[in-house]
Amino acid sequence: DQQVKQNSPSLSVQEGRISILNCDYTNSMFDYFLWYKKYPAEGPTFLISISSIKDKNEDGRFTVFLNKSAKHLSLHIVPSQPGDSAVYFCAAGSSGSARQLTFGSGTQLTVLP
Amino acid sequence: EAGVAQSPRYKIIEKRQSVAFWCNPISGHATLYWYQQILGQGPKLLIQFQNNGVVDDSQLPKDRFSAERLKGVDSTLKIQPAKLEDSAVYLCASRVGGTVVTFGSGTRLTVV
Repeated sequence: DQQVKQNSPSLSVQEGRISILNCDYTNSMFDYFLWYKKYPAEGPTFLISISSIKDKNEDGRFTVFLNKSAKHLSLHIVPSQPGDSAVYFCAAGSSGSARQLTFGSGTQLTVLP
Repeated sequence: EAGVAQSPRYKIIEKRQSVAFWCNPISGHATLYWYQQILGQGPKLLIQFQNNGVVDDSQLPKDRFSAERLKGVDSTLKIQPAKLEDSAVYLCASRVGGTVVTFGSGTRLTVV
């Protein structure tokens, strides 16, 4: 039972263009969401988060959008840079529980120079 | 601020052998997690500690996996005996309040 799904295993984007990574969830109890970036041989590093009381959060080149009715969130990176090439994980949690994160399977982003 | 420390970075063992991983969380972080990440999948929670108490170990295969955090600081995760399907990266993470969980670099385990 995958509660957090990232249906695109990979995405290639040209440098300078927008990267859009998508994530769907099924558990209505999730009320906060995080995106992590992972380089090979390193642990995931926190990128950006959003609470369910918001529909958008922006941090520099990174913006996360949340559509609660569709149980869908997306991460926009603009402009994309070659250093953004990594695996991106979507994660969800519930503040009413033990504050555990449930992860999607990840999307490999490749930014082409 | 020092990050989450894990050791060893890599381990290769034969099936049915035992192995142990060590984690030292960020100072002051009361909550500690162990995750298992199999190649091509996202991290999956194995166990969560709050100080030295277990909050959730429902997904820990208790017939072969054990974990402890005796003094509420560092933690060890043990597998005995290991199976081929235990080959994965074992990630330790910690959190102090809020929602952001900080991960260590992980231990890559290969069972042959």
